[in-house]
Amino acid sequence: EVQLVESGGGLVQPGGSLRLSCAASGFTFSDHYMDWVRQAPGKGLEWVGRTRSKAKRYTTEYAASVKGRFIISRDDSKNSLYLQMNSLKTEDTAVYYCATSDGSFLDYWGQGTLVTVSS
Amino acid sequence: QSVLTQPPSASGTPGQRVTISCSGSSSNIKRNTVNWYQQLPGTAPKLLIYSNDQRPSGVPDRLSGSKSGTSASLAISGLQSEDEADYYCAAWDDRLNGWVFGGGTKLTVL
Repeated sequence: EVQLVESGGGLVQPGGSLRLSCAASGFTFSDHYMDWVRQAPGKGLEWVGRTRSKAKRYTTEYAASVKGRFIISRDDSKNSLYLQMNSLKTEDTAVYYCATSDGSFLDYWGQGTLVTVSS
Repeated sequence: QSVLTQPPSASGTPGQRVTISCSGSSSNIKRNTVNWYQQLPGTAPKLLIYSNDQRPSGVPDRLSGSKSGTSASLAISGLQSEDEADYYCAAWDDRLNGWVFGGGTKLTVL
């Protein structure tokens, strides 16, 4: 059974940093692209970014809204995905989901972790 | 403002058929396949339809997807109370180099 468990969310002040983690199990993590998607309170889904698999040289893509502030990384030896969030803004407040991807769709999603950026 | 356009709401009575539309452009829906997600209140999104019209195992065949040009649609027939949820369309956008989503459609079963 595929499981994705996010952690690391919490309250942070504007300008601060936070690192989210996503622990994966039940599938061959190293073969899959991994994406982060967020959802602000009461709003729709917004893609944050992705890291491709080793076969695609772990290349990354980011949404314009987070490019230069967020960094996605992965550790295939630990079946883990990370999202380093720097220079956080109040508009980054959201539930952050990690999701697996074969490249053409996001198939499994974690339960999400809430990040609140507020003073 | 979402890149893909969906109606904010839809409704139907039990047993009815409802359709949710999703409009995009040449850089996303026209060039790439469309996926649909269902989000029940307080839960994570769940893949409902992938590659325009394919259902993952466990998704009932009363749900179907289609795509034509720069638009796509999700149809739910034999509407049930448990279908009450938010529905999102998504496609890869070659110009933005990322996933784009519709704003979501809240389906109410009357």
